Amino acid sequence: QVQLQESGPGLVKPSETLSLTCTVSGGSISSYYWTWIRQPPGKRLEWIGYIYYSGSTNYNPSLKGRVTISVDTSKNQFSLKLSSVNAADTAMYYCARYRRTSGLGFDYWGQGTLVTVSS
Amino acid sequence: EIVLTQSPGTLSLSPGERATLSCRASQSVSSSYLAWYQEKPGQAPRLLIYGASSRATGIPDRFSGSGSGTDFTLTISRLEPEDFAVFYCQQYDDSPITFGQGTRLEIK
Repeated sequence: QVQLQESGPGLVKPSETLSLTCTVSGGSISSYYWTWIRQPPGKRLEWIGYIYYSGSTNYNPSLKGRVTISVDTSKNQFSLKLSSVNAADTAMYYCARYRRTSGLGFDYWGQGTLVTVSS
Repeated sequence: EIVLTQSPGTLSLSPGERATLSCRASQSVSSSYLAWYQEKPGQAPRLLIYGASSRATGIPDRFSGSGSGTDFTLTISRLEPEDFAVFYCQQYDDSPITFGQGTRLEIK
């Protein structure tokens, strides 16, 4: 059974960079797409971006170039960096596996981690 | 971007009843790339339906999806107590991937 676990600081100061890591267990990160999603309080889910295990990426234009997603296959991890954060970036952040090639959607999710942007 | 609008916002039903949830897209979505998720408090979203009508692994057959083009439906044939949650539709046909605002299914 594939499991994903997000980790990283729960509190980030305005203008700084939010950094999260997703560790995949119970399966290999290879041959799949991996994605980040967030949900601000009281709002809908927002897709942040995805990465293929080989390193190719696709990001949501709404985040205006502040996002970088990277992968470390040796550690079975992928990571999110969001720069120049502000209060609007306060959200529950989820990582998930994206079955892009087979069209199966986001089939495994992490439990999520709450990130608050505040000084 | 494709905007997904779900209705109703809240649905109040009793166990044993049938639930019908709607998802309307601002432009046509390939049926192959429309999914439904269930989210319970304190838990990660769970994939229920992909490709508009295919059940994900382990999902009971009381859950079914249908639709095409801009109108999609999730039906729960006979509600069980554990089904009450928030449901989201998602399109992954076009980038950026987008979600609906959710339908809250509550016990009447």
